[in-house]
Amino acid sequence: KAGVTQTPRYLIKTRGQQVTLSCSPISGHRSVSWYQQTPGQGLQFLFEYFSETQRNKGNFPGRFSGRQFSNSRSEMNVSTLELGDSALYLCASSLSAGPNQPQHFGDGTRLSIL
Amino acid sequence: GESVGLHLPTLSVQEGDNSIINCAYSNSASDYFIWYKQESGKGPQFIIDIRSNMDKRQGQRVTVLLNKTVKHLSLQIAATQPGDSAVYFCAENPYNNAGNMLTFGGGTRLMVKP
Repeated sequence: KAGVTQTPRYLIKTRGQQVTLSCSPISGHRSVSWYQQTPGQGLQFLFEYFSETQRNKGNFPGRFSGRQFSNSRSEMNVSTLELGDSALYLCASSLSAGPNQPQHFGDGTRLSIL
Repeated sequence: GESVGLHLPTLSVQEGDNSIINCAYSNSASDYFIWYKQESGKGPQFIIDIRSNMDKRQGQRVTVLLNKTVKHLSLQIAATQPGDSAVYFCAENPYNNAGNMLTFGGGTRLMVKP
């Protein structure tokens, strides 16, 4: 069974631009979560989607948004990029909406802001 | 590869020895805990999980211990191998029935000397 697939793997943008990152969950998984990983802040929760609905949101500004499609694939968007948005963005999927589900991560999209 | 923290605590062990990685968690109401392994350039890989109604759980070469009294988790790796070299994260779901959002610890780097 294929794992979580994130595209693209690397991305370079400039300040003020916007970016869309894509995530395909493990087949059959319906919950998708996004995390930001930086050397200074570690791994931080961005948001979680289930059945095309955002269920939880972390403490990030409104420039960060996401959505989930009917096939459980998800995208996240960051608008008006800032230098501090440079990070590894990780997507994780889990089987269902239950609270105690192991999340399985993709290898991330490395976003660099110039 | 990914630098997940400029000043990560590091545990250095000899190949074949047992490793113990410790983690203090923050929320006494957390019900679910996971250990992840992250190798350079990859996303976190699920190792083992434990619910708060247990104090010990064993997997293949790994054991997780949970001490709710002092809010402490540990991961024990038996017969550590060079392939175990990675950064290890503990994570908790602090919101139990509110979905799959995880709060991660800062990570510990495990270095295995051949």
